[in-house]
Formats: sequence, structure tokens, C-alpha cells
Amino acid sequence: AQSVTQPDIHITVSEGASLELRCNYSYGATPYLFWYVQSPGQGLQLLLKYFSGDTLVQGIKGFEAEFKRSQSSFNLRKPSVHWSDAAEYFCAVGPNTNAGKSTFGDGTTLTVKP
Amino acid sequence: NAGVTQTPKFRVLKTGQSMTLLCAQDMNHEYMYWYRQDPGMGLRLIHYSVGEGTTAKGEVPDGYNVSRLKKQNFLLGLESAAPSQTSVYFCASSARYGYTFGSGTRLTVV
Repeated sequence: AQSVTQPDIHITVSEGASLELRCNYSYGATPYLFWYVQSPGQGLQLLLKYFSGDTLVQGIKGFEAEFKRSQSSFNLRKPSVHWSDAAEYFCAVGPNTNAGKSTFGDGTTLTVKP
Repeated sequence: NAGVTQTPKFRVLKTGQSMTLLCAQDMNHEYMYWYRQDPGMGLRLIHYSVGEGTTAKGEVPDGYNVSRLKKQNFLLGLESAAPSQTSVYFCASSARYGYTFGSGTRLTVV
């Protein structure tokens, strides 16, 4: 069965500081991995995705993530955080063999200090 | 470029009332999903569909029914609303890899 763990429920960083959000997954085959962002009162928006190839993937809004098979991780990074990055971030793995379903982590809430 | 549209955005129901949430997508996606999001519980899959005319149960299907009579629409029904169904409901669609989400329906059952 596939699963996702986001170890950090809440992270606070100062504006301009670097950011790393952790994601660990369990999946029986080569995973497809995703990061989504949810701003308050909004739906989730796809930030980036990894299917195969280069293990460092670039996404929107200046985010990147690195796939490390040996560590079963897919951590999200940003070199310099902006106040507008404050949101909740979800890691997801999938699809399973049925209907392209993804499994989501419980999310990490990012607070940005001025 | 609408993507996934959910209606209504907000609704207050009395216990025992019924309602239907509508999800419409214009991307010709085969797969559609209904999730509920509750504080501290992440996203939980209610029902999903792999194509027009098909539906299947997710993790938390009890108390909900769905229909997908047209490929672009996925309806979520509550036949007899309960306070435990107070939540934010998200619809999503997918061609296979990666979801496009709607902006959600905030439902309160009193």
C-alpha cells in the first residue's frame, strides 16, 4: 500500500530564509510524486511533479524538489521564502493501479515571519 | 480556462436535509474525485470515478452518493445531512498523473 508521511506539522521561517519541507513515501514500484500548495480558503494547486529522469525537479513559484530513492524522500525546497508563500503544503504519491488515485500526506503549514 | 468548477461555494443545511454538490471540469479528464478536508485529518477520499457512467467508493463513502452521467460532471449527494458531514469538500480531476482541484465547497450542517 502506498503512504506518505510529512513529519513536520508546522514550520516557521523568516522572510528571505531558505525552506525545506520533508516528505517520505512508501510505494511498491517507481513512484510518481507531487507537491501541492493550498492557500487559505483555496483549493490545492500543483507545484511540481516527479515521474522519472532528473531527480531534481523545478516547479512553479521558484520551488524545487529532489527525489532520493535510497531515502524514500521527496523534499521540497525554496532558496528564499516570500511572505506570500505562507500556506499549507501537501506531498502526494501515486497513482496506484486503480483510477490514478494519489495518496496525500497530512500537510505542513508554513508560517513566514516578517 | 476554467479548470474545475464547484458549486455552491458555501452552504448551510439543517440536519436531515438533502443537497447536491456539483463539480464540472472542462479538461476532458477521465478521472474525477470527491474529497473532504477536516482539520487535523488531511484529505479523505469519498468517492471517485474512472469515466462516464462509473463510480466507486473511497475511504469515507458512508452518507454520500455520487453520479457521473456526463464525462465533465461529477455530482456528490447528501441524502440526509448530519452534523458530522460539516466539512470542506473538494472535487478534483485527473488525466492520470496529478490532480486539478476545484476551489471547494464549505458545508455546515446545523
